Amino acid sequence: QKEVEQNSGPLSVPEGAIASLNCTYSDRGSQSFFWYRQYSGKSPELIMSIYSNGDKEDGRFTAQLNKASQYVSLLIRDSQPSDSATYLCAVNMKWYGGSQGNLIFGKGTKLSVKP
Amino acid sequence: EPEVTQTPSHQVTQMGQEVILRCVPISNHLYFYWYRQILGQKVEFLVSFYNNEISEKSEIFDDQFSVERPDGSNFTLKIRSTKLEDSAMYFCASSEGPGRDETQYFGPGTRLLVL
Repeated sequence: QKEVEQNSGPLSVPEGAIASLNCTYSDRGSQSFFWYRQYSGKSPELIMSIYSNGDKEDGRFTAQLNKASQYVSLLIRDSQPSDSATYLCAVNMKWYGGSQGNLIFGKGTKLSVKP
Repeated sequence: EPEVTQTPSHQVTQMGQEVILRCVPISNHLYFYWYRQILGQKVEFLVSFYNNEISEKSEIFDDQFSVERPDGSNFTLKIRSTKLEDSAMYFCASSEGPGRDETQYFGPGTRLLVL
């Protein structure tokens, strides 16, 4: 069974702090990793994608990937109240034949940024 | 910016009735997906579709479900005989073709309530 695990939270941080969100996955062959943000009652909205080991930065967001440890994380710097949402880790489980594969989602970590 | 659209935004139906959920993927995308999210639970993959056929389907996608691309723009999910447990948010997503960006972009969702 292919799994993506996240702490459900809630994770509470003060405004301006760094929020750190973590995710582990079970399928060692996974190649593509995504962080989505989901506000209550809304659809997943892409924050970042990461495909290679190391860090990838985009504005206040940094994704980190360690394939050996099967671990991916998201750091949010200078957290704002508007960042309060559920953050979903998604892993693309490709299969043979060239298909782009479906996403396996974690349950999400609920982040609350307090003013 | 191109986006995935879905109709209707809300659908209420009686158990045993057929429903059709509609999606318009991003115009130059070639892979289409359906996911669902039961209230309070994780986003779950249902089916992927490429080149006018199903690429992959999950255990959830049983004989009660079907997908179709009736024309050049629409992508539909049909549930033939709805059950109470089909109540969920249904998301359509699309991505570019083989060898290109794997990112899946989600539509706003259809909230289905089966009574």
